[in-house]
Amino acid sequence: DAGVIQSPRHEVTEMGQEVTLRCKPISGHNSLFWYRQTMMRGLELLIYFNNNVPIDDSGMPEDRFSAKMPNASFSTLKIQPSEPRDSAVYFCASSLDQGQQETIYFGEGSWLTVV
Amino acid sequence: SQQGEEDPQALSIQEGENATMNCSYKTSINNLQWYRQNSGRGLVHLILIRSNEREKHSGRLRVTLDTSKKSSSLLITASRAADTASYFCATDDRRNRDDKIIFGKGTRLHILP
Repeated sequence: DAGVIQSPRHEVTEMGQEVTLRCKPISGHNSLFWYRQTMMRGLELLIYFNNNVPIDDSGMPEDRFSAKMPNASFSTLKIQPSEPRDSAVYFCASSLDQGQQETIYFGEGSWLTVV
Repeated sequence: SQQGEEDPQALSIQEGENATMNCSYKTSINNLQWYRQNSGRGLVHLILIRSNEREKHSGRLRVTLDTSKKSSSLLITASRAADTASYFCATDDRRNRDDKIIFGKGTRLHILP
């Protein structure tokens, strides 16, 4: 299996621009997670989906952030408008939901810099 | 929010020595996991220990879990330079019927040659 695939790997954008991060989970996995990692705050759970349905979005920082999962093989995290404080590494991860906590498989991350 | 906290934040040891990292958490859990992150990469799962287990081994890794103290430890024996990475514990919350998993801030381990 190719693992969790994220794109882009690196993005530099100007403040105010829209940013869209993409994720393809491992085939057959039905839970998908978006995390953000910074030096100051560590690894924060932004939102997670189960069977394409958002279950918990309490970690989404504000209305500028939105996430969708239109089907089992694709998810997006959008920031509009972006701000310099959004600069971070954004990880997508997936797991096979078997009714209890299972191993989470991470992508390599999308490194976002907002200038 | 319920979260694992690793201790120490950073650890430097000589190659060949054992490295011990600790994790404390706040609520009852179903399972606890340890992950590793090399610089610039995603997290990689190392080991999962269930709440009814007290100790688990995987190669040079040994994990213990003390649910009465709400703590876990990760021991890496005979450390190697390639073990240099950040190590995270991750926990769920038994009160929730979901897969929400929260990570601690990690321990940065540096193995000195």
